[in-house]
Amino acid sequence: NAGVMQNPRHLVRRRGQEARLRCSPVKGHSHVYWYRQLPEEGLKFMVYLQKENIIDESGMPKERFSAEFPKEGPSILRIQQVVRGDSAAYFCASSPDFLQNGNQPQHFGDGTRLSIL
Amino acid sequence: KQEVTQIPAALSVPEGENLVLNCSFTDSAIYNLQWFRQDPGKGLTSLLLIQSSQREQTSGRLNASLDKSSGRSTLYIAASQPGDSATYLCAVRQGRTYKYIFGTGTRLKVLA
Repeated sequence: NAGVMQNPRHLVRRRGQEARLRCSPVKGHSHVYWYRQLPEEGLKFMVYLQKENIIDESGMPKERFSAEFPKEGPSILRIQQVVRGDSAAYFCASSPDFLQNGNQPQHFGDGTRLSIL
Repeated sequence: KQEVTQIPAALSVPEGENLVLNCSFTDSAIYNLQWFRQDPGKGLTSLLLIQSSQREQTSGRLNASLDKSSGRSTLYIAASQPGDSATYLCAVRQGRTYKYIFGTGTRLKVLA
């Protein structure tokens, strides 16, 4: 199965700890997107990355949140000093190069459910 | 600012019924529109993608239509089955951007 892989599926952290969420895109996809789904709300765009570049982080909270997509390895969404309000499902999606395949659907992973105690 | 609304928020129907889910968006300058299915505790499964130049797409018992000028899309499910029970999400890709703007979904329950 060459779909988007996210891990861990569930993550529990205490307030003040750090959370690291990992996403491996579909093989051959160079574009990664992170979305957050708060309880009873729709998915909200957070950040768009290509290999080694952040293209758009307009949906990221200004503090404590960061994302990377290194040349080798998965994309990482990092949340420092977590608070209760960070509890949510975090989804990663990937797609081929947009300019060549603009109407290709984004492929989503199963998400990481983050719970803050 | 693009806003996507889905009506109804929840729907419960007996097995075998044909049903329609609605999605409306405020800015008609979309690049495409995608319908997803989300099962509890799971990720999103893409059902249908309609390009801005298209009017409809079909896959099996599913048919999605798009009326860009009026800012509406519908997802038609024929002969519904209990296995169709899930949350259905509509998302629009804005212009030439790469971001999807999602609606809050319709929770569908098909009763056996």
